[in-house]
Amino acid sequence: LAKTTQPPSMEAYEGQEVNVSCSHTNIATSEYIYWYRQVPHQGPQFIIQGYKDYVVNEVASLFISADRKLSTLSLPWVSLRDAAVYYCIVTASSGSWQLIFGSGTQLTVMP
Amino acid sequence: EAAVTQSPRNKVTVTGGNVTLSCRQTNSHNYMYWYRQDTGHGLRLIHYSYGAGNLQIGDVPDGYKATRTTQEDFFLLLELASPSQTSLYFCASSDGGSDYTFGSGTRLLVI
Repeated sequence: LAKTTQPPSMEAYEGQEVNVSCSHTNIATSEYIYWYRQVPHQGPQFIIQGYKDYVVNEVASLFISADRKLSTLSLPWVSLRDAAVYYCIVTASSGSWQLIFGSGTQLTVMP
Repeated sequence: EAAVTQSPRNKVTVTGGNVTLSCRQTNSHNYMYWYRQDTGHGLRLIHYSYGAGNLQIGDVPDGYKATRTTQEDFFLLLELASPSQTSLYFCASSDGGSDYTFGSGTRLLVI
């Protein structure tokens, strides 16, 4: 399983766009990139997933570099509710499909 | 609404005590997981199961047993609880793909 590296923390003001980077230099061809977030007192929640290029949904967008070694989660117009720990996870979408969590990125949103 | 429900929400036990954490999912998922989360760490996988009667070992299984009695129910057993097992425990279910749902957690304190 590929390891991921994320910044431990980030800060932003409400209304700003936030970009959270994730390095996964050893990603295998069978592996996908998933982003989850966790707010206090709750379990992690799925945000977005991708394999290559660019993915967008109603919550966020995900850009994946051409060599797939770097991905960036983009959150437009963050609010106080977006304050959370954001986890980048790389795993093969087959078999037992285990999620292996790193330490994540703590996003602080300021009013 | 499909969900993962954990009980109890909070538990205090003494060292050497016997504890059972319960998890029920109504997602009709085959896979269920138990994670623990400690300060400074992401979630770490203890045990998982891909069906009733099945049990697989995760990354930090020592001191834990688990049992999957039905597709819906997955239990985590601490037969001789130790202070090192004080943690926040999360249960999750998945379809083996990207549909992964976490419970709200059980906070365990071993004194």
